[in-house]
Amino acid sequence: QSVLTQPPSASGAPGQTVTISCSGGSSNIGSKSVSWYQQLPGATPQLLLYNTDRRPSGVPDRFSGSKSGTSASLAISGLRSEDEADYYCASWDASLSNLLFGGGTKLTVL
Amino acid sequence: EVQLVESGGGLVQPGGSLRLSCAVSGFILSDHYVDWVRQAPGKGLEWVGRSRNKDNSYTTDYAASVKGRLTISRDDSKNSLYLQMNSLKIEDTAIYYCTRPNIVISYALDVWGQGTTVTVSS
Repeated sequence: QSVLTQPPSASGAPGQTVTISCSGGSSNIGSKSVSWYQQLPGATPQLLLYNTDRRPSGVPDRFSGSKSGTSASLAISGLRSEDEADYYCASWDASLSNLLFGGGTKLTVL
Repeated sequence: EVQLVESGGGLVQPGGSLRLSCAVSGFILSDHYVDWVRQAPGKGLEWVGRSRNKDNSYTTDYAASVKGRLTISRDDSKNSLYLQMNSLKIEDTAIYYCTRPNIVISYALDVWGQGTTVTVSS
């Protein structure tokens, strides 16, 4: 069972906005940086966001992030079929000295 | 180009051992941390462990599920990192990825290898 909690699934129609949540605790999200990863079907995971809301070069600005207290969120606007993927949040846990991943959210574009 | 390339996966019996390798290129290994992350078939990502850089005395951390059985080592002169896997269990079956936590971006995993598959089965 993952220590960071994500909904197992999310969906939206093309063009819509979908938000994926990631809930943790004070020793991880509450005090550490959050990153998000996208794993397209059959592919290797790729960094999507770091430091909560910063995008690596090449990531469209349709992807955005936020954090409040011990929870973080990933928002995808202007949904496109190629956004269908699994999305994972991650944060270092200072108490465990472990990197924690969320359980992953499977996004379906209807 | 920054790259990490894993090798060494295969089929091993429960209780057996295996050593995975991660060859890095495009950056100076001694300056960087390296993590191992695994993904069991049809499951999510699970962090396995971390090897810190020279400035942090090459210290390591491990997930509770693998501590005492899996060990990370490195040879900076060979631009390589290793994951020694002992006392393997069926639940260790997974794709094992070598990744780079980038210090500049708060240790987010910015580069991933293609993965190597470990199957533990009798």
